[in-house]
Amino acid sequence: QQPVQSPQAVILREGEDAVINCSSSKALYSVHWYRQKHGEAPVFLMILLKGGEQKGHEKISASFNEKKQQSSLYLTASQLSYSGTYFCGTEGDAGGTSYGKLTFGQGTILTVHP
Amino acid sequence: ETGVTQSPTHLIKTRGQQVTLRCSSQSGHNTVSWYQQALGQGPQFIFQYYREEENGRGNFPPRFSGLQFPNYSSELNVNALELDDSALYLCASSYRDGSEKLFFGSGTQLSVL
Repeated sequence: QQPVQSPQAVILREGEDAVINCSSSKALYSVHWYRQKHGEAPVFLMILLKGGEQKGHEKISASFNEKKQQSSLYLTASQLSYSGTYFCGTEGDAGGTSYGKLTFGQGTILTVHP
Repeated sequence: ETGVTQSPTHLIKTRGQQVTLRCSSQSGHNTVSWYQQALGQGPQFIFQYYREEENGRGNFPPRFSGLQFPNYSSELNVNALELDDSALYLCASSYRDGSEKLFFGSGTQLSVL
């Protein structure tokens, strides 16, 4: 089943923070986050694995609550380059990785204005 | 740049026709996954190839088929095209090292008239 992302869209000014949530109805092995700019390929941001730690680089980080089957992506001090559509992709917990066979959410459109 | 290239970038077909989309994987990657992305939606898993064998399939009919070649490039074939097949088709390559990061190509935009 497709994970549900919220919010569907968010508008920010440069320097503001945002949180994007991803919720699944099934037990998860991992959550992947990708960003896609208009007309471009989705670009990998990070993976969070069951039993793993919160990940982050620069001003983008994420958490994974295994018990609630939820993940959140945190964008702090947003920059214009953060604009795009963010997708979470999930792997069900069937005993390990499914080697990239992801079920993606519907996406969250993030727009950052000057 | 991910190193994954897809061709053609755009394609227009009519209902009932057949189409072949191509993907060249990033160097060193042995796994190719194909996704369909309808406008305004997230990518939907079609199937995956690993070492030239199909290794998992999403909820797509048999008229969607594929191949992976010894050099790890791949093809997606769709027979008897339907209007609902209009979408962006994304190829993603990866290497089975436990991280399973997907590296996507820019896609082929297919329009079925």
